[in-house]
Amino acid sequence: QVQLVQSGAEVKKPGSSVKVSCKTSGGTFSGFGVNWVRQAPGQGFEWMGGIIPLLGTTNYAQRFQGKLTITTDETTTTAYMELSSLRSEDTAVYYCVRERDYYGVDVWGHGTTVIVSS
Amino acid sequence: DIQMTQSPSSLSASVGDSVTITCRASQGINNYLAWFQQKAGKAPKSLIYASSSLQTGVPSRFSGSGSGTDFTLTISSLQPEDFATYYCQQYIGYPHTFGQGTKLEVK
Repeated sequence: QVQLVQSGAEVKKPGSSVKVSCKTSGGTFSGFGVNWVRQAPGQGFEWMGGIIPLLGTTNYAQRFQGKLTITTDETTTTAYMELSSLRSEDTAVYYCVRERDYYGVDVWGHGTTVIVSS
Repeated sequence: DIQMTQSPSSLSASVGDSVTITCRASQGINNYLAWFQQKAGKAPKSLIYASSSLQTGVPSRFSGSGSGTDFTLTISSLQPEDFATYYCQQYIGYPHTFGQGTKLEVK
């Protein structure tokens, strides 16, 4: 059974960066896209961006352009999300999700809590 | 960006009831519509893709329908484990936007 295993919680200072990992376990990595979605406390979901490892192509929501970088390491079947210039409003649970074209999102990571506080 | 509007924002029902949640897109999205379930403090679970197809392992009491701009999620014969928050998401265009959620509570 496919699992997406994310790195642990982070506490960061405003203005710093955070890098969260998402390792695919028990299933294929190529042929799927990996997206990142966040959920601020008590709020709904915000799609941030995604990558298609096989093609190396990325898509970012406009509000995250220049602030978000998504990469993958196919040798370790791991995707990474790096968010820079952190602000308190970036405090959220960050999820990686696996997505495939018409079939949409089928697997969610367990989530990584990022707290931005001085 | 495509806006997704869910209704109602909350809903009360009893075990055994049937409930329907609606999701409307601000422009046509064909049938590129997914539904997710989230329980408090947990990661979401994928329920439905392509408007009406169940993800593997999802009980048949969940069903989805719709195409274009209007979609529904129906849960028939509610079970205790179904009380949660439900979200729709369109994935035809970037960004893949979500509805604001519908909280299903016990009456």
